[in-house]
Amino acid sequence: NAGVTQTPKFRVLKTGQSMTLLCAQDMNHEYMYWYRQDPGMGLRLIHYSVGEGTTAKGEVPDGYNVSRLKKQNFLLGLESAAPSQTSVYFCASSYAGGGLFTHEQFFGPGTRLTVL
Amino acid sequence: AQSVTQLGSHVSVSEGALVLLRCNYSSSVPPYLFWYVQYPNQGLQLLLKYTSAATLVKGINGFEAEFKKSETSFHLTKPSAHMSDAAEYFCAVSLQGAQKLVFGQGTRLTINP
Repeated sequence: NAGVTQTPKFRVLKTGQSMTLLCAQDMNHEYMYWYRQDPGMGLRLIHYSVGEGTTAKGEVPDGYNVSRLKKQNFLLGLESAAPSQTSVYFCASSYAGGGLFTHEQFFGPGTRLTVL
Repeated sequence: AQSVTQLGSHVSVSEGALVLLRCNYSSSVPPYLFWYVQYPNQGLQLLLKYTSAATLVKGINGFEAEFKKSETSFHLTKPSAHMSDAAEYFCAVSLQGAQKLVFGQGTRLTINP
């Protein structure tokens, strides 16, 4: 199993450009999450999804949109990138089959995004 | 709402010394508690978790943590540090019925030879 994978690994954008980050998991997990990590601020939740076709806002959702059209994929979009969105982005997933949510999250390797 | 506080953004110990990373949580009900480790340029890996069973939890790489309800703490320890333990460590909390984790700010552990 590949676990949680993220595409791309690195990206440089100019202010105002748009892009989509892809997260894929092959563990049949129901829940998926997008975080951003900034120095001294830990991980902050951007958006999350508890199932195909459903999404919810996290702690810092402004400037981002997400979609979960397939259970195994969770997309994070930046419509108009700003320098404040320079960060490392992590995707994670959790198992919640049969109503049993384990709370344990499995993380991808991250995407390093720089907005100039 | 629950929250997590990690005391010390940077901890430095000598190789072979005791490692102690502190985590305190706030929650009105018994939580689920986690410690994750992040090696440079990698994602987070689970070290150990407390889910209301034994209060002393053993994890990977010789780490363990003790849940102390009276102190609302879940400190991470390792008796003897190795150079390979140098990483950033995150404490996280969740509640029964919650759909997400709340992470602490992280503690960067440095091991001196």
